[in-house]
Amino acid sequence: ILNVEQSPQSLHVQEGDSTNFTCSFPSSNFYALHWYRWETAKSPEALFVMTLNGDEKKKGQISATLNTKEGYSYLYIKGSQPEDSATYLCAFRSGNTGKLIFGQGTTLQVKP
Amino acid sequence: DAGVTQSPTHLIKTRGQQVTLRCSPKSGHDTVSWYQQALGQGPQFIFQYYEEEERQRGNFPDRFSGHQFPNYSSELNVNALLLGDSALYLCASSFEGAPQPQHFGDGTRLSIL
Repeated sequence: ILNVEQSPQSLHVQEGDSTNFTCSFPSSNFYALHWYRWETAKSPEALFVMTLNGDEKKKGQISATLNTKEGYSYLYIKGSQPEDSATYLCAFRSGNTGKLIFGQGTTLQVKP
Repeated sequence: DAGVTQSPTHLIKTRGQQVTLRCSPKSGHDTVSWYQQALGQGPQFIFQYYEEEERQRGNFPDRFSGHQFPNYSSELNVNALLLGDSALYLCASSFEGAPQPQHFGDGTRLSIL
C-alpha cells in the first residue's frame, strides 16, 4: 500500500506570515510529485509537477522543493495573503502509471 | 478554451439505485481519470481511461464502472448505491506523454439517502 502523508493537517497564520507544509511519499519507484491548490467551491488547481531530485519550482510567492531519495517535498508560501487560504494537496505518481495517490491535504487559513 | 466540465453538479439518490456521472475533458486532452473525495480525505483514484480502454484501476468494487467515448469524454457509473458512496466525484483530464498536471473539473456532489 502506497501512502502519502501531509503535515500539518491545518494551519492558521496571520497575513504576511511565511509558512511551509510537508508531503511525504514512498521513496521507491518515483515518477512525479504533483502539488495542487484547492479553494472552496472551486476545482483543484495545478501548482507544480516535480520530477527530478533536488528540483525547485516557483510560482509567484509559492515555491516547492523535492527530495526523491528520502521521499519528501516542501511547499513554501512567502508573505501569505488571505487569498492564499485553501487546501493544498500533494499527489505521488509512481512508475509509469497515470494514477495519482493524494495526501489528505493541508488546509491553510490566512487571517487579515 | 473550456476546461474540464462535469455534470450534473449535484445529485441525490437512494440506496440501491444506479447513477451515471459525465465528464468532458479539456480540449486537447486524451486521458480521463476519476476520483472519489470523501469528507476530510484526499481524492481517491477510481480508474483511468485512455483510448477508450480502462488502463488502470484503484481499489474500488466492480459496482464502479466507466466508459470513454471516441471524443474522449467519459462516464462513471455506480450500481447498487450504498450510503458510503456519498462523496464528491472528480474528473481529471490530461495528455498522455511526459509528466503533466491533471486538470480537474468542479466535481459532482453525490448524496445517497
